Amino acid sequence: AQTVTQSQPEMSVQEAETVTLSCTYDTSENNYYLFWYKQPPSRQMILVIRQEAYKQQNATENRFSVNFQKAAKSFSLKISDSQLGDTAMYFCAPSSGNTPLVFGKGTRLSVIA
Amino acid sequence: DSGVTQTPKHLITATGQRVTLRCSPRSGDLSVYWYQQSLDQGLQFLIQYYNGEERAKGNILERFSAQQFPDLHSELNLSSLELGDSALYFCASSVEKSFYGYTFGSGTRLTVV
Repeated sequence: AQTVTQSQPEMSVQEAETVTLSCTYDTSENNYYLFWYKQPPSRQMILVIRQEAYKQQNATENRFSVNFQKAAKSFSLKISDSQLGDTAMYFCAPSSGNTPLVFGKGTRLSVIA
Repeated sequence: DSGVTQTPKHLITATGQRVTLRCSPRSGDLSVYWYQQSLDQGLQFLIQYYNGEERAKGNILERFSAQQFPDLHSELNLSSLELGDSALYFCASSVEKSFYGYTFGSGTRLTVV
């Protein structure tokens, strides 16, 4: 079974600054996928970024990037040039592909003007 | 619009009642997943269907049941409702497996009074 730990229940960052959200997980799979989802106040779940565990290169999507450390089972999300619209709950989720996504408890991020 | 349609958006009902939540997956997606999100909590996986067949089961109560129809839409039935069942219920879909993550619907907010 996969487990996910997001150790930062709440974080805040000034607009235009950089923030890193942490996530650790446990899995017995060798090949798997990792996701970060964003849930703004509208409650819609939005895929932010995806990482394939067999790829050493860290994924990037515009201002969002990850630091994937497979041996440490760590998958942090870095948001650069934070914007007010980044205010949301952020959930980390691993998946083997054959099993449903398991979500962490989330980190509430507030971007302050 | 994510392509995943959930109805109704809001539902208020009394304890002991039964409700049905409906989900139409994104065009081309064969897998449907149901998740429950209680207030300020993470998403708890309930059940997955793939092309009409149950594929995986999570912490779904016996009072809850689901099915996926030949046209691939899915329904989640909640019966003998209790106050603690009040939550946001999400439906998500994917092609088959979760390699690329899920597309989520906007959720159904259930309030049991």
